[in-house]
Amino acid sequence: AQTVTQSQPEMSVQEAETVTLSCTYDTSESDYYLFWYKQPPSRQMILVIRQEAYKQQNATENRFSVNFQKAAKSFSLKISDSQLGDAAMYFCAYRSGHGYGQNFVFGPGTRLSVLP
Amino acid sequence: KAGVTQTPRYLIKTRGQQVTLSCSPISGHRSVSWYQQTPGQGLQFLFEYFSETQRNKGNFPGRFSGRQFSNSRSEMNVSTLELGDSALYLCASSLADRGSGELFFGEGSRLTVL
Repeated sequence: AQTVTQSQPEMSVQEAETVTLSCTYDTSESDYYLFWYKQPPSRQMILVIRQEAYKQQNATENRFSVNFQKAAKSFSLKISDSQLGDAAMYFCAYRSGHGYGQNFVFGPGTRLSVLP
Repeated sequence: KAGVTQTPRYLIKTRGQQVTLSCSPISGHRSVSWYQQTPGQGLQFLFEYFSETQRNKGNFPGRFSGRQFSNSRSEMNVSTLELGDSALYLCASSLADRGSGELFFGEGSRLTVL
């Protein structure tokens, strides 16, 4: 079974600074997808960024980028120019590329605080 | 386009009771999945439905069940509630049932079991 680990339960960053959230995963599959989701306090979870394992190029979405190291099974999220609205729980998630179904495996989450 | 709607948002039950939670996916989405979120266990996959068929099921006891209707709306039921069932239950819908398609989450139903 696949597992996702986020070793940083909590992180903090100064507004306008850069922060990197770590994620590692364990899988024997070669085809899969990785995601970062954001869950603001008392609000619904939304997708931040996604990465297809077959793509070598790291995904980027505005201030958010990932460092995908397939051999190391590492998928970190970098948030540049942090804003107060970035404060949230961040979940790393894995989805198999085999078969049907949307059963994601989520990491335990990292709570990010943004300091003004 | 309306997002994923979950009802009720909050509910309190006592041990031994049963509960039914409802989820209306985004229009056009045929895949609906359910997750249980607790501080201790994080997000755990319950089950997923696609076109009224259960595609996958997580490692939960048979007290947890679900179904999907022809309009893609889904319900999950928990019978004989236990204290440990207290959690935020999240529903998510997706346009496809495979690939890199993202999950769109509802705000959740927070269940407290006393």
